[in-house]
Order: sequence, then C-alpha cells, then structure tokens
Amino acid sequence: QKEVEQDPGPLSVPEGAIVSLNCTYSNSAFQYFMWYRQYSRKGPELLMYTYSSGNKEDGRFTAQVDKSSKYISLFIRDSQPSDSATYLCALILTGGGNKLTFGTGTQLKVEL
Amino acid sequence: DADVTQTPRNRITKTGKRIMLECSQTKGHDRMYWYRQDPGLGLRLIYYSFDVKDINKGEISDGYSVSRQAQAKFSLSLESAIPNQTALYFCATSDFLGGETQYFGPGTRLLVL
Repeated sequence: QKEVEQDPGPLSVPEGAIVSLNCTYSNSAFQYFMWYRQYSRKGPELLMYTYSSGNKEDGRFTAQVDKSSKYISLFIRDSQPSDSATYLCALILTGGGNKLTFGTGTQLKVEL
Repeated sequence: DADVTQTPRNRITKTGKRIMLECSQTKGHDRMYWYRQDPGLGLRLIYYSFDVKDINKGEISDGYSVSRQAQAKFSLSLESAIPNQTALYFCATSDFLGGETQYFGPGTRLLVL
C-alpha cells in the first residue's frame, strides 16, 4: 500500500463547476499537508499548505485536512479553463527533514 | 530569468552511457533536491542536500549519484544509463525556514534507448 493515495483521473468538468480533489494517507505522523499544481511541461508550484486539521481558504481554493480520517481535500470554486493542470498532494512527516511524499497527481480539465 | 534552471531540457541517450543533469538556482536557498516523475508513480525523491557538504539518499537513489558543487549548483549523474531511467527529472530548492515550500525547475525529459 502506498503511503499516499490519489485518484489519477483524468477529471473533466465544465467551466464554473466546483471541483473536489482528494488524497488519503496511511501514516498518522504526517504533519504538513500541501497541494502543488503542475501545468503541462512545467515543474510543480506550491498552491496551498496547512499543518492542522480544518479548512484554509485562498481565493477560489480551499484546502481541507481531516487528520482523524487521514484525508485531505482541495476544493476549487468557479473553476476556470486556466485551472486545467495536474494537482499533486504532498505531505511531510514530523521530523522528516522537509522531505515531501507526493501523491501521484490528479489530472483536471476544465472545459468551456 | 527563472529562479531554478535545469540543463538540458531534453536528452536522448543510449543504454550504458554516462550522463549528467545540471541544476542551478538564484534563490539563495541551502537545500536542493532531485526528483523523478513517472506516470502513475508521481514524484519520487532521488537525492537531497541541505548544504554544500551534505548529501543524502532519497527513496530511489540506486543507479544515480549527485554532486553539490556550490550552494547554487546541484548535479545528478547516471553512471550507466538504462531504459527504466527514462523519466522526467526535476530539481527543487527550499530554504531552512520555509522548508515545506519547495521551488521546482522546469524539468529535464530523459529518454534512454
């Protein structure tokens, strides 16, 4: 079993839809939770991070962490074609020296 | 100019050849990382370095070696390339205080024939 599981998609939604992207993890020692966005033929870039259970909002994006269920989510409101990318969750272990453990990524396409 | 650059951007090589991928950064970060990305497997850590004198193996270091020539430069070598090393390779950097934020280069697409 992988430490971090993420549905690879692809996920196709119409413009304006609410998108939900999810990861599950198995090790309760993961402490920091991040979402990276990767456009085609580009390197990943950090979108959001949090280190506690609950919600964190940034514009149209909301990151949600449920440590009791070992489940993290990224919600995108009013999705735009420019949101079309691969979204990777990334986690850091307590005392893990800032080493990221990535999910496999979910490919999202927002259609006009 | 980009903060993290990688050369070459694309490379085709043959089995058994030695190749080097190079990474340079202008962010002034101490920490540098090499990852490979494969479809269905995501990003996996190959090696990382927290300063010029520090080199650490990651999840999948076999068949690879690295050199940290300076704070700003971190190179990855494949001593004898094999086809299953065909992948997309990324360099990343972070600083001590904001370590959870890693900044990635544009990637090197490597094909081993």
